[in-house]
Amino acid sequence: GAGVSQTPSNKVTEKGKYVELRCDPISGHTALYWYRQSLGQGPEFLIYFQGTGAADDSGLPNDRFFAVRPEGSVSTLKIQRTERGDSAVYLCASSDLRVGGTGELFFGEGSRLTVL
Amino acid sequence: AQSVTQLDSHVSVSEGTPVLLRCNYSSSYSPSLFWYVQHPNKGLQLLLKYTSAATLVKGINGFEAEFKKSETSFHLTKPSAHMSDAAEYFCAFSGGYNKLIFGAGTRLAVHP
Repeated sequence: GAGVSQTPSNKVTEKGKYVELRCDPISGHTALYWYRQSLGQGPEFLIYFQGTGAADDSGLPNDRFFAVRPEGSVSTLKIQRTERGDSAVYLCASSDLRVGGTGELFFGEGSRLTVL
Repeated sequence: AQSVTQLDSHVSVSEGTPVLLRCNYSSSYSPSLFWYVQHPNKGLQLLLKYTSAATLVKGINGFEAEFKKSETSFHLTKPSAHMSDAAEYFCAFSGGYNKLIFGAGTRLAVHP
């Protein structure tokens, strides 16, 4: 697609449930990032993929959060045993870090997660 | 530790007047700095970036920012605000491989 696509755009779930959020990056972009934006805050880094591997997962808040990118393109952020504090907008971005690429991050519109 | 601080959570200006959104950074090395804009229910859009070339950086939609090492600042300015500029603005710092560290944001209101 032309831009970064995130699904679902909105997700409402109950405390304790499992949630998956999907990101489809710009075709050919090698790098993919997940951020979390809580109400009234700036985006907070969660994890960075270079290809299929998680090069930096230092931002994941705890072991309930996990992300995969099995084929180096689409990524899924998985949240187990959701808590009310997980409510936020989850942003995905991709970037072309190859030689000659601009390196600019392109963001999707986000997935708004509400945990009741 | 590397960080960015946006000094104002809200800024309100009249249409046609100048805009100043303030950002200070903390870094032990020469940083890459960015300004992003976020309109309601839209993705973040890059306005401009500084990567150690010219200290005055021009971006889209008439915005520019000046990198001042002595003041550790990277303030965003525009000579004349438009109604369409009303949005949330984020200053960001690159922590390597384009991992961005964002400030808390400044909400810009533009009134007639």
